[in-house]
Amino acid sequence: DVLMTQSPSTLSASVGDRVTITCRASQSISIWLAWYQQKPGKAPNLLIYKASSLQSGVPSRFSGSGSGTEFTLTISSLQPDDFATYYCQQYNTYTTFGQGTKVEVK
Amino acid sequence: EAQLVESGGDLVQPGGSLRLSCSASGFTFSSYPMHWVRQAPGKGLEYVSAISSNGISTYYVDSVKGRFTISRDNSQNTLYLQMSSLKTEDTAVYYCVKPHSSSWYNWFDPWGQGTLVTVSS
Repeated sequence: DVLMTQSPSTLSASVGDRVTITCRASQSISIWLAWYQQKPGKAPNLLIYKASSLQSGVPSRFSGSGSGTEFTLTISSLQPDDFATYYCQQYNTYTTFGQGTKVEVK
Repeated sequence: EAQLVESGGDLVQPGGSLRLSCSASGFTFSSYPMHWVRQAPGKGLEYVSAISSNGISTYYVDSVKGRFTISRDNSQNTLYLQMSSLKTEDTAVYYCVKPHSSSWYNWFDPWGQGTLVTVSS
């Protein structure tokens, strides 16, 4: 199985901060990675697919990068609505999720 | 617009059984493989099971193999997850998810709203 490791597990930040979350794969997954945002009591919502493609309707402050085994999700200027938990998902070999990164108020 | 609505979650005793349903609309259901993902309370996302578009091929994560059965009725646009020999560790919100394309593995969009399964005595 491809193990996905996100860091950090929790991130404390303020509105306006630039935020970066990292996802590392235990083996190369090319660009077959997606990012989701989840708010309490809600289903995950797709943000990024194919490592760097922005899902329609997602604000442009979200961006993704990387290939192979290391990937990042960046929020250029954190907004109040962005405090949530973020998950990466690889879909190169079956599919697995990272353990999640909670972005909380500093 | 594709939409998924799960139902069937409930409180069940350890060792019991339950069947979850997922009603799909807004897309050609019979053209897509479908998947179940679960999330235990306060925990992350865990991939559970998948079924091919024609229902012939299936996949299960090791922790549910032999206890869960995924199936579908393309005439009714409905996905199922039959769960038996339930354990307390199966307690979770179960999400029905659609892959982006007809590829077996892909990014998931949309997700259903989820249905809560609680296994407890």
